[in-house]
Amino acid sequence: DAGVIQSPRHEVTEMGQEVTLRCKPISGHNSLFWYRQTMMRGLELLIYFNNNVPIDDSGMPEDRFSAKMPNASFSTLKIQPSEPRDSAVYFCASSLEGWGRDGYTFGSGTRLTVV
Amino acid sequence: KQEVTQIPAALSVPEGENLVLNCSFTDSAIYNLQWFRQDPGKGLTSLLLIQSSQREQTSGRLNASLDKSSGRSTLYIAASQPGDSATYLCAVRSVNTGANSKLTFGKGITLSVRP
Repeated sequence: DAGVIQSPRHEVTEMGQEVTLRCKPISGHNSLFWYRQTMMRGLELLIYFNNNVPIDDSGMPEDRFSAKMPNASFSTLKIQPSEPRDSAVYFCASSLEGWGRDGYTFGSGTRLTVV
Repeated sequence: KQEVTQIPAALSVPEGENLVLNCSFTDSAIYNLQWFRQDPGKGLTSLLLIQSSQREQTSGRLNASLDKSSGRSTLYIAASQPGDSATYLCAVRSVNTGANSKLTFGKGITLSVRP
């Protein structure tokens, strides 16, 4: 398996622009997680899906952030409009849920810079 | 609310030394605990996963232990090498909403192994 695939690897955008981050989880995994990592706050869970359904989006910072999972093999995280404070590394992870027994596999991340 | 602490934030040791990285968590009701490695500018690589019923897991020069009742885990690295230099993150999967529980991360320990 190719692992969790994220795109793009790097994104530089101007403030106010829309940004879309993409994730392809490991085939067969039924849960997907979006995390954000900054120096100040470390890794923060933004949202997670189970069987394509959003379970907990309490970590989504503002209405400017939205996430979708239209099918088991694809998810997007969108920021509209983007702001400089959104600059961070965004990770996607997937897991095969089995009453919490399984570990997470992370993608390589998308480094977002908003100028 | 689960909180995960890793102290110290950074550690520098000479090559060849055996070392222990500590992780503590506040809520002992967990499914499992996972140790990750993160190289600068890279994603997270899973090192070891310990289920709540287990006491330790080993992989090569790495050994992770878990004392759930006291809320502690340690990652033991034998005969450290410069290639072990990275940030090591501890994460716990708490028992809160059933199977679809989320992972809570510590801030990580940045290890530097001097040649």
